[in-house]
Amino acid sequence: NAGVMQNPRHLVRRRGQEARLRCSPMKGHSHVYWYRQLPEEGLKFMVYLQKENIIDESGMPKERFSAEFPKEGPSILRIQQVVRGDSAAYFCASSPLAPRGTYEQYFGPGTRLTVT
Amino acid sequence: DAKTTQPTSMDCAEGRAANLPCNHSTISGNEYVYWYRQIHSQGPQYIIHGLKNNETNEMASLIITEDRKSSTLILPHATLRDTAVYYCIVRVTQAGTALIFGKGTTLSVSS
Repeated sequence: NAGVMQNPRHLVRRRGQEARLRCSPMKGHSHVYWYRQLPEEGLKFMVYLQKENIIDESGMPKERFSAEFPKEGPSILRIQQVVRGDSAAYFCASSPLAPRGTYEQYFGPGTRLTVT
Repeated sequence: DAKTTQPTSMDCAEGRAANLPCNHSTISGNEYVYWYRQIHSQGPQYIIHGLKNNETNEMASLIITEDRKSSTLILPHATLRDTAVYYCIVRVTQAGTALIFGKGTTLSVSS
């Protein structure tokens, strides 16, 4: 049973370019979460999605960031016009509809974005 | 979600039990205690969770006090690969509830 997959693992972008980060949840999981970890800081929640719906984007920066989880294919976190402050590790997690409803989240290996 | 308090760092000798404490004195009745760890820049790894009963799995044991105001994660035989930051998180269990990571405890296992 493959775990959460993220690609690319490392991404380098120049200031002003776009970054697209992909996340494939574990098989059978329909809930996806994105977290960001800035250098030397803790993980911060960004957005929660179900298939074709954004449920909670309270942690997303108001501009330049967007996320989607289409009916087919991986979830995408998109950052437009990247700036140096966007350099961070971006982690995706997925969770099942657990029998006891405890919704533990399983994380992918992350995408390390470097903006030059 | 309730706030948790953990020691900043702990040391443990390889092969010995590592006992990581967590205080969550304001926990609500419907909140679970979750433990995750992050091994050097990897994605966080789920370890265990519990409501009020002690729990054990292949990775660890979770001991929750009767008043639920504190808990202890036990790694029975720590190895060098258990060196990581360990996060104690208290949250309600419903779809979409984000994990709120604090600073955690940095556990260093040495030979």
